[in-house]
Amino acid sequence: KQEVTQIPAALSVPEGENLVLNCSFTDSAIYNLQWFRQDPGKGLTSLLLIQSSQREQTSGRLNASLDKSSGRSTLYIAASQPGDSATYLCAVVTNFGNEKLTFGTGTRLTIIP
Amino acid sequence: DAGVIQSPRHEVTEMGQEVTLRCKPISGHDYLFWYRQTMMRGLELLIYFNNNVPIDDSGMPEDRFSAKMPNASFSTLKIQPSEPRDSAVYFCATQDRPSGNTIYFGEGSWLTVV
Repeated sequence: KQEVTQIPAALSVPEGENLVLNCSFTDSAIYNLQWFRQDPGKGLTSLLLIQSSQREQTSGRLNASLDKSSGRSTLYIAASQPGDSATYLCAVVTNFGNEKLTFGTGTRLTIIP
Repeated sequence: DAGVIQSPRHEVTEMGQEVTLRCKPISGHDYLFWYRQTMMRGLELLIYFNNNVPIDDSGMPEDRFSAKMPNASFSTLKIQPSEPRDSAVYFCATQDRPSGNTIYFGEGSWLTVV
C-alpha cells in the first residue's frame, strides 16, 4: 500500500528566503506526482505535475523535482513571499489506469513578513 | 468556466439524518472524484467515476455512504444515516484526462454531524 509522508508538518521562514518542502513515498512505481496548495477554508489548487519519466517541472518561482528510485520529491520555492503561506500537499498516482491520488498529510508553510 | 461547484458549502445536521452533498463538475471533464479530509486521516479518496461510471469505490467507508453520477453534469454523495464521525470536509474534484492530468478541486462541503 502506497504511503506518502511530508516532513516537516509545519515550517516558518522569513520573507525572501528560498525554501524546500519534502515528500517521500514508499512505492517507487508511480505514474505521476503532483504538488498542491491549500489555503484555509479552500479546496486544493494543483501547482505542478511531474510524470514518472520526468525529473523536474518549473512554474515561476516553483520548481519540483522527482527521484523515483529513492521515492522522493522536493518542492523548491524561490524568494518566498507572504502570499506563499498555505499548506502544501504532494500526491502520487501509483497505478497506470487507476487515477487514485494518494496524498501526504501536508506541510503548513508560514512566511514571516 | 466557474470551476467545480459544490453544495452546500456548510451543513450542520443531527446524528441519524440523511445528508446529500452535490457536485457540478467542470464541463467536459471525464473523471470525477469524491475526497474526504479530516485532521486525523488527511485526504482520502472515497470513490471516483469515469464517464459517469463508478470505477473505484474501495474508499467508501461503509454502506451508509453512497455516490451517484446520473449524468456528466451532476454527482451526489449521500450519507444515511449520518454519524458524528462523518464530520469532515468533503471535496469533489474533476479531471480532463485526455488533456493532461491536472485535477481541479471544488471548495468543499464542510459537514458537522452533532
